[in-house]
Amino acid sequence: EVQLLESGGGLVQPGGSLRLSCAGSGFTFSNYGMSWVRQAPGKGLEWVSGIGSGGARIDYADSVRGRFTISRDNSKNTLYLQMNSLRAEDTALYFCARRRTMSGGFSGMDVWGQGTTVTVSS
Amino acid sequence: QSMLTQPPSASGTPGQRVTISCSGSSSNIGSHAVNWYQHLPGTAPKLLIYDNDQRPSGVPDRFSGSKSGTSASLAISGLQSEDEADYYCAAWDGSLNGVVFGGGTKLTVL
Repeated sequence: EVQLLESGGGLVQPGGSLRLSCAGSGFTFSNYGMSWVRQAPGKGLEWVSGIGSGGARIDYADSVRGRFTISRDNSKNTLYLQMNSLRAEDTALYFCARRRTMSGGFSGMDVWGQGTTVTVSS
Repeated sequence: QSMLTQPPSASGTPGQRVTISCSGSSSNIGSHAVNWYQHLPGTAPKLLIYDNDQRPSGVPDRFSGSKSGTSASLAISGLQSEDEADYYCAAWDGSLNGVVFGGGTKLTVL
């Protein structure tokens, strides 16, 4: 079964750091680009960051650029999101998601994890 | 990050057909494919439509997508109670080099 499982969420003070992980299984992880998407309480979905299958292509939303770092370890089938200088507005449920196609333009995200909750509060 | 524009809510009775619109710009919908997601809060979003009008396997043909210029639409025919959820459109934005989502449309089945 194709699965993604996030971990690493929790309660952190403003200005603090947290690292999220996303473990993939049931598919060849190294063949797919991956993304992080978040949903703040009472808000809609917001794309946070994406990384190509080999890790060379990386993109960020303006809201997190310079504070968050996406990376992956294909030998461990794991995606990461290092979050620094956290703010209250980063409080959200964070999902990892797989890009639908192994190559070509963006064609949607077809596999999603259940999410991990990040709360930024003093 | 700019968002695509969706109506905040939509509704219909069982069996009806409803459509949800999504408006963007030349840098996103105008030049890239649109996808649609169904989402129940607190659960994993589900890809409903990719490449403007394609359904992943397992998605009923009651769901259909279309695109024209800088706008797109999701249509749901034969509305069922289990269709009650939030629906999001999304597309790549070539100016932002990232994915932009619509604000979401909450569908209520009356």
